[in-house]
Amino acid sequence: RKEVEQDPGPFNVPEGATVAFNCTYSNSASQSFFWYRQDCRKEPKLLMSVYSSGNEDGRFTAQLNRASQYISLLIRDSKLSDSATYLCVVNWGTGGFKTIFGAGTRLFVKA
Amino acid sequence: DTGVSQDPRHKITKRGQNVTFRCDPISEHNRLYWYRQTLGQGPEFLTYFQNEAQLEKSRLLSDRFSAERPKGSFSTLEIQRTEQGDSAMYLCASSPGQGDTEAFFGQGTRLTVV
Repeated sequence: RKEVEQDPGPFNVPEGATVAFNCTYSNSASQSFFWYRQDCRKEPKLLMSVYSSGNEDGRFTAQLNRASQYISLLIRDSKLSDSATYLCVVNWGTGGFKTIFGAGTRLFVKA
Repeated sequence: DTGVSQDPRHKITKRGQNVTFRCDPISEHNRLYWYRQTLGQGPEFLTYFQNEAQLEKSRLLSDRFSAERPKGSFSTLEIQRTEQGDSAMYLCASSPGQGDTEAFFGQGTRLTVV
């Protein structure tokens, strides 16, 4: 089983749609969680951190379910510019942090 | 430019040759990571450093791969006797090393083994 698993997609949605991505992780000792965005042939960049209480940043909402070991990302009112690959990221470790990425979920937003 | 810097950006090499990549992290970032990414996949963890100490190596990192961070600043990743399967983007990232903080990535080194 992969340490971090995501549905690779692609998700093809029209502008204005709401889309949700899920991610599961295998290590119950995981300590912190993030969503990164990666555009084609670019490096990954942080989209948002994921907190236990859930957090929202504009059109983006992230949630964490530690009991079921999954995190989610909800994008409302999708824009063409949201088209990218969304990477689920999990940190764990003692004395240092190992940062593990999922394979990513591809999103295409169409006019 | 105060971001993570990687050099070279592109490298084409013949099978069997050795290659070395360099990563300069953001100043004062204690943690440094190396990842490999192939088309359609997320970044795969290779190794990471806390200052100059290499704390973990992935099983993906065969004996042909070695990474160093001698002074706890820049890092090098060397691949010996390259194989076509080594062709990938090699990404370096750094983070401050305290608490649960994001990692900042360089633009990567794209390796093509012919």
